[in-house]
Amino acid sequence: DAMVIQNPRYQVTQFGKPVTLSCSQTLNHNVMYWYQQKSSQAPKLLFHYYDKDFNNEADTPDNFQSRRPNTSFCFLDIRSPGLGDAAMYLCATRDRGYEQYFGPGTRLTVT
Amino acid sequence: AQSVTQPDIHITVSEGASLELRCNYSYGATPYLFWYVQSPGQGLQLLLKYFSGDTLVQGIKGFEAEFKRSQSSFNLRKPSVHWSDAAEYFCAGPSGGSNYKLTFGKGTLLTVNP
Repeated sequence: DAMVIQNPRYQVTQFGKPVTLSCSQTLNHNVMYWYQQKSSQAPKLLFHYYDKDFNNEADTPDNFQSRRPNTSFCFLDIRSPGLGDAAMYLCATRDRGYEQYFGPGTRLTVT
Repeated sequence: AQSVTQPDIHITVSEGASLELRCNYSYGATPYLFWYVQSPGQGLQLLLKYFSGDTLVQGIKGFEAEFKRSQSSFNLRKPSVHWSDAAEYFCAGPSGGSNYKLTFGKGTLLTVNP
């Protein structure tokens, strides 16, 4: 089945230790998104790619970076995680329609 | 500002009872709108979508939603709730005039009592 895959599902990192979360898709969609979702809150958009064009949200901290080496893969890099960065990170894709398709998420714990 | 609002943070219903989750929107033109469901520890799954045309939209898992322009609402309904419907439900619409970004309501947590 075509889908959005996120690895790992659970990630534990230490305060200040760089961490990378990955997302891949078999849908061949040209738009990919990264969201941060904290407990009992709505997803918050961090950035999105339209093909290779990177679009950062104005309030996304500089600590968060992203890479999209090809259509299928997108990475979220957190350069120096703080305790406040503990959250669920959701990857999503979109094609020519308007709906977004979400992966299962990566739960990040910062110790 | 263009947005969607979910006025109910938490709703509890008994299994087998009917369900209506509220979503209000604030857009100048007719927006496209979505309902997503999120089970604990999972990603968001699309339940249904409205773009134009028929104002009563059928979705997966027996859900439907009705777009009412006069009330600026897009409420989600299900005639008989199952215990497996317990989850967080998010209404979503376009964000900031962009066709590529969504804004989500704060979500409604549904609890189903046996």
